[in-house]
Amino acid sequence: GQQVMQIPQYQHVQEGEDFTTYCNSSTTLSNIQWYKQRPGGHPVFLIQLVKSGEVKKQKRLTFQFGEAKKNSSLHITATQTTDVGTYFCAGPRPSGATNKLIFGTGTLLAVQP
Amino acid sequence: NAGVTQTPKFQVLKTGQSMTLQCAQDMNHNSMYWYRQDPGMGLRLIYYSASEGTTDKGEVPNGYNVSRLNKREFSLRLESAAPSQTSVYFCASRRVEKLFFGSGTQLSVL
Repeated sequence: GQQVMQIPQYQHVQEGEDFTTYCNSSTTLSNIQWYKQRPGGHPVFLIQLVKSGEVKKQKRLTFQFGEAKKNSSLHITATQTTDVGTYFCAGPRPSGATNKLIFGTGTLLAVQP
Repeated sequence: NAGVTQTPKFQVLKTGQSMTLQCAQDMNHNSMYWYRQDPGMGLRLIYYSASEGTTDKGEVPNGYNVSRLNKREFSLRLESAAPSQTSVYFCASRRVEKLFFGSGTQLSVL
């Protein structure tokens, strides 16, 4: 079945350093979403990418969707303590079943002040 | 506007007991979901409901049943709880591409 893997599982950075998490799917995705979950909280939608090679920015966050639509990345510039949390990518299962959203394994980001 | 409300927030069960996790949304969304979250495994889809009156299996449906009671409510039932079902359970509803999650239910099965 479709698998969505993320690397790294865990990243510890000093405040001000950059951070990147990578998401890789075993199959082509029609779109990919990113969510953030603060410690003890619930996932919150960040963004959706649809087009091959698409790049979107939200302040210090840059999201990319690969040309083959099988991978994606999230890059945070100059991390802050408010960036702490787990970042998940998610994609719909293939065969057009867009209601079935499959999540990646997540990357836990720790930021040391 | 409460969004997605889950009850209870915490629950401890003994092996073999049954219980129902409740979920309600007030955003008039058609699609609703149940996920479980375990350390290192991300969020795994248990069941979903594309619209009132329909339900479908996700990645890990065994040991669970669901009911889409009406457009607002989507419940998850554990008929005979097992220690492997110890997890955090999240309900979500969907508007266009976005999932809106509830605050979760932390379930321990002893």
